[in-house]
Amino acid sequence: DAGVIQSPRHEVTEMGQEVTLRCKPISGHDYLFWYRQTMMRGLELLIYFNNNVPIDDSGMPEDRFSAKMPNASFSTLKIQPSEPRDSAVYFCASNWQGTTEAFFGQGTRLTVV
Amino acid sequence: GEDVEQSLFLSVREGDSSVINCTYTDSSSTYLYWYKQEPGAGLQLLTYIFSNMDMKQDQRLTVLLNKKDKHLSLRIADTQTGDSAIYFCAENGTGRRALTFGSGTRLQVQP
Repeated sequence: DAGVIQSPRHEVTEMGQEVTLRCKPISGHDYLFWYRQTMMRGLELLIYFNNNVPIDDSGMPEDRFSAKMPNASFSTLKIQPSEPRDSAVYFCASNWQGTTEAFFGQGTRLTVV
Repeated sequence: GEDVEQSLFLSVREGDSSVINCTYTDSSSTYLYWYKQEPGAGLQLLTYIFSNMDMKQDQRLTVLLNKKDKHLSLRIADTQTGDSAIYFCAENGTGRRALTFGSGTRLQVQP
């Protein structure tokens, strides 16, 4: 398996623009997690899904952030409108029922100018 | 709520042992993990320990768990320059699916 695949690897956008980050979990994994990593706050959980259903979105910072999982092999994290303070590395991770070990993608480095 | 704390930085000389420490608050954690993040990369699992164990050894890595004090440590023997990275400890409390991570310890290995 290729592991968790995220795209794009880098994104630079202007303040106010919509940004969409993409994730393909490992095949057969039924849990998907979105994390955000910043220098100030470390690695924070934003939201996670089980069988494509959002289970806990309490970490989503505000209404500008939304996440979807239309099928078992794809998820998006959207920020609209984006702000400079959203600049961070966004990680997607997945796992399956038999483990709590999280398998991480390479991350998307987002810069909002 | 759950909290995981780590020191931010550790510098050692090549060949020395490194010890990275972590404290956590959730006593119901069933597994505790150590992840490694190299520059520009995602997090990779290094090792983990089940909460009913107090030690686990895996080649150059030794994990010690003091459940009473809620203290976890990772010892890297014969530290190499390739070990330079950020090390995260993480835990999962009972009933929680997602891992809670510490802030990460940046290990710098001097040649």
